Amino acid sequence: SQQGEEDPQALSIQEGENATMNCSYKTSINNLQWYRQNSGRGLVHLILIRSNEREKHSGRLRVTLDTSKKSSSLLITASRAADTASYFCATDARGGSEKLVFGKGTKLTVNP
Amino acid sequence: EAGVTQSPTHLIKTRGQQATLRCSPISGHTSVYWYQQALGLGLQFLLWYDEGEERNRGNFPPRFSGRQFPNYSSELNVNALELEDSALYLCASSSGTVPNQPQHFGDGTRLSIL
Repeated sequence: SQQGEEDPQALSIQEGENATMNCSYKTSINNLQWYRQNSGRGLVHLILIRSNEREKHSGRLRVTLDTSKKSSSLLITASRAADTASYFCATDARGGSEKLVFGKGTKLTVNP
Repeated sequence: EAGVTQSPTHLIKTRGQQATLRCSPISGHTSVYWYQQALGLGLQFLLWYDEGEERNRGNFPPRFSGRQFPNYSSELNVNALELEDSALYLCASSSGTVPNQPQHFGDGTRLSIL
């Protein structure tokens, strides 16, 4: 199946450091989205990158997309304790069933 | 602008019972999506409704069903509950069909089966 897989599964860093999370997927996509989930809460949309885009920025977030490698990365710069959460990538299959497929997420812990 | 609201927050049932979960989308959103988030399994797509119609369904048995009302709110019904149905059920809404629009999520209903 065409599922995003995040790597690493868990990441622990100190406040102020950068955090990089990766996502790989299997089939051609229309776009790729990143979401954040705080413990026990719903998901919050962070950024959407289209298949014809290579890089996108939003505040301290930087997302890259390499369609030739079927991979994406999410970089959070100057991390804060409030960034502690799980991060998910979600993809939709081009010409597919028009549903988002989520990976299992990367659990990020930012230590103060 | 009010976000996606789900009720109840928590629901405790026993095996064999039936559960009804409710979702109100963001005003103006016509698409509603349901996901199951079981421990360690990530989000699994359940159902997608748009304009009152079921548009797509995930790989779940028929005892998972739902509907969307004329005001675009939605219900998820789970019949003949099993222990493995214990999970966080998330509802999301969007203003258009995937793939072009982000989905906005509620905080979920945590369903526990005893």
